Amino acid sequence: QKEVEQNSGPLSVPEGAIASLNCTYSDRGSQSFFWYRQYSGKSPELIMFIYSNGDKEDGRFTAQLNKASQYVSLLIRDSQPSDSATYLCAVTGYSGGYQKVTFGTGTKLQVIP
Amino acid sequence: KAGVTQTPRYLIKTRGQQVTLSCSPISGHRSVSWYQQTPGQGLQFLFEYFSETQRNKGNFPGRFSGRQFSNSRSEMNVSTLELGDSALYLCASSPQGEGIVTDTQYFGPGTRLTVL
Repeated sequence: QKEVEQNSGPLSVPEGAIASLNCTYSDRGSQSFFWYRQYSGKSPELIMFIYSNGDKEDGRFTAQLNKASQYVSLLIRDSQPSDSATYLCAVTGYSGGYQKVTFGTGTKLQVIP
Repeated sequence: KAGVTQTPRYLIKTRGQQVTLSCSPISGHRSVSWYQQTPGQGLQFLFEYFSETQRNKGNFPGRFSGRQFSNSRSEMNVSTLELGDSALYLCASSPQGEGIVTDTQYFGPGTRLTVL
C-alpha cells in the first residue's frame, strides 16, 4: 500500500462544474496536508493546506480533511479551463526522528470548455 | 521578490560520473529542500537544510548529498550516477523555518538531469 494514494485520472469535468479530487494516506500520525497544482512542464505551486479536521475554504477551492477515515480532498468550484493541471496531495509527519513529506503521484484534471 | 532559482536547468551526464546542482532560495528564506520527480515514482523528498545543517532527510542512498551555505544557497551532489537517477530535481524554499511538516514550499523551476 502506498503511503499517499491518488487516482491518476484524468478526471474530466465540464467548465463551471465542481471538480472533486481525493487523496488517502496510510500514516495515522500525519500532521499536515497540502494541495499543489502542477502545470505540464512547470514546477508545483501551493493551492492550500489544512491541518485540522473539517473544511477550509479559499476562493473557489475547498480542502476537506477527515483524519478518522484518513482522507483529504480538494473541491474546485466553477472549474475553469485554466484549472487543467495535475494536482498533487502532500502529507507531512514524523518518522524516525525526522520530519517527512510524502507526495501522491497526482491526479490529472481536465476542464472541458 | 525573485523566486527560487536553480542552475543549470538541463544537464546530461554519463553513468559513473558525479553532478552538482545549485539552488538559490527566495530572499529571506532559510530552509531549502530538495526533491526528485520521475514519471514512475512521482515527487520524492530528498533532504532539507536549515541554517547550514541537514535537518530532515528522505529515503535516498548516500550517493545523494547536499549542503547549505551561510547565504542559504544550497547545492545537491549525486555521485556515481546511475541511469535511474535521470529525473527532474526540484529545489524548494520556505520562509518560516519551522520545517517541512508545516511550512509552505516554494518550488524552483528544476534541473532536468539525464544520465546516459
